[in-house]
Amino acid sequence: QVQLQESGPGLVKPSETLSLTCPVSGYSISSGYYWGWIRQPPGKGLEWIGSCFHTGITYYNPSLKSRVTISVDTSKNQFSLRLSSVTAADTAVYYCARVRLGIGFDFWGQGTLVTVSS
Amino acid sequence: EVVLTQSPGTLSLSPGERATLSCRASQSVSSSYLAWYQQKPGQAPRLLIYGASSRATGIPDRFSGSGSGTDFTLTISRLEPEDFAVYYCQQYGSSLFTFGGGTKVEIK
Repeated sequence: QVQLQESGPGLVKPSETLSLTCPVSGYSISSGYYWGWIRQPPGKGLEWIGSCFHTGITYYNPSLKSRVTISVDTSKNQFSLRLSSVTAADTAVYYCARVRLGIGFDFWGQGTLVTVSS
Repeated sequence: EVVLTQSPGTLSLSPGERATLSCRASQSVSSSYLAWYQQKPGQAPRLLIYGASSRATGIPDRFSGSGSGTDFTLTISRLEPEDFAVYYCQQYGSSLFTFGGGTKVEIK
């Protein structure tokens, strides 16, 4: 069974960089598929942040593109998210997920709440 | 960028009733890349339907999806107590993913 688990600080100060990692178990990232990050502000809907392939190819939400970096570490079988210059509007539950084109986001982490506050 | 609009925002129904949820796209979407998710409070979303009409692994057959082009529908034939949740549609196109705003199915 594929398992993902978001990891990182739950509190980030305004203007700083949010960093999360997503170790994957039960599947080798190098075997294929895309891997993505999605967020959900409290009480609101889902927003796709970006996705990456094991080769390092990345795709980002145009609204966040200038601040987002997603990377893959196949040696650790994990992928990561960095979001720079955060504000209170970036407060959300952040999810990592496996992406199968033509299928969708089929395996999700449990999500981690990141609060932006001084 | 494709915008997905879901309606209604909230659907109030009783167990045993039929639920019909709509997802409308701002431009044509490939049916191959239209999916539906269910999310319960405090949980991650769960994939229900992919390719507009195919059920994901382990999804009961009371859930069905249909549609093409810009109009897609998720139908729950008879609501079970565990089906009361928020439902999202999602599409993929031009290397980008977008989600609809969600429909909450609540107990009447």
